[in-house]
Amino acid sequence: DQQVKQNSPSLSVQEGRISILNCDYTNSMFDYFLWYKKYPAEGPTFLISISSIKDKNEDGRFTVFLNKSAKHLSLHIVPSQPGDSAVYFCAASAVRYFNQFYFGTGTSLTVIP
Amino acid sequence: GAVVSQHPSWVICKSGTSVKIECRSLDFQATTMFWYRQFPKQSLMLMATSNEGSKATYEQGVEKDKFLINHASLTLSTLTVTSAHPEDSSFYICSASSGTGFGGETQYFGPGTRLLVL
Repeated sequence: DQQVKQNSPSLSVQEGRISILNCDYTNSMFDYFLWYKKYPAEGPTFLISISSIKDKNEDGRFTVFLNKSAKHLSLHIVPSQPGDSAVYFCAASAVRYFNQFYFGTGTSLTVIP
Repeated sequence: GAVVSQHPSWVICKSGTSVKIECRSLDFQATTMFWYRQFPKQSLMLMATSNEGSKATYEQGVEKDKFLINHASLTLSTLTVTSAHPEDSSFYICSASSGTGFGGETQYFGPGTRLLVL
């Protein structure tokens, strides 16, 4: 069964507004979380990460929030730009699992100019 | 939900040996499977795309004779790193799609295989 889930397959947002992408996980052993961005016909590109000792990590327009009790993380993009249109994957890993990655199924974000 | 497994999860081998990595879709038929290699800053580089029953399509710069890909069935693709060298040490991830994968169909990722060549 999927241990990392992205329940929204797609999201449309107006340019300049905030995009919020959500990710849920089931395994409390996960201690490191990543977001990837993927354009068609390319491999996923690392975007931002967060370890389980933090609840927020910010990098420019991108902020990741982690709620361990809810086993939920979210990626906020503000302001959203048309170039942000891509598929976003969240992934989780744990030292005890040799840092193997468990990916979500992705959310396709469309930023409307 | 769909699950993709990889085996082995990690492997250590001597320089010059060949290593085979399996990627299986456990509960769906994967028309297309993708093989990625993880690079610094954790971005994944697409190495090749394989469709069941046909030859894999390799990305520019990836040696097809070194990284042999076989997609013999709708649930199994294998990547063989031939005559592995220390510079091949990396994290290899596969993903599988029931479509072409490029048309917006969901890609399901495997957990990855960590290869260390001594």
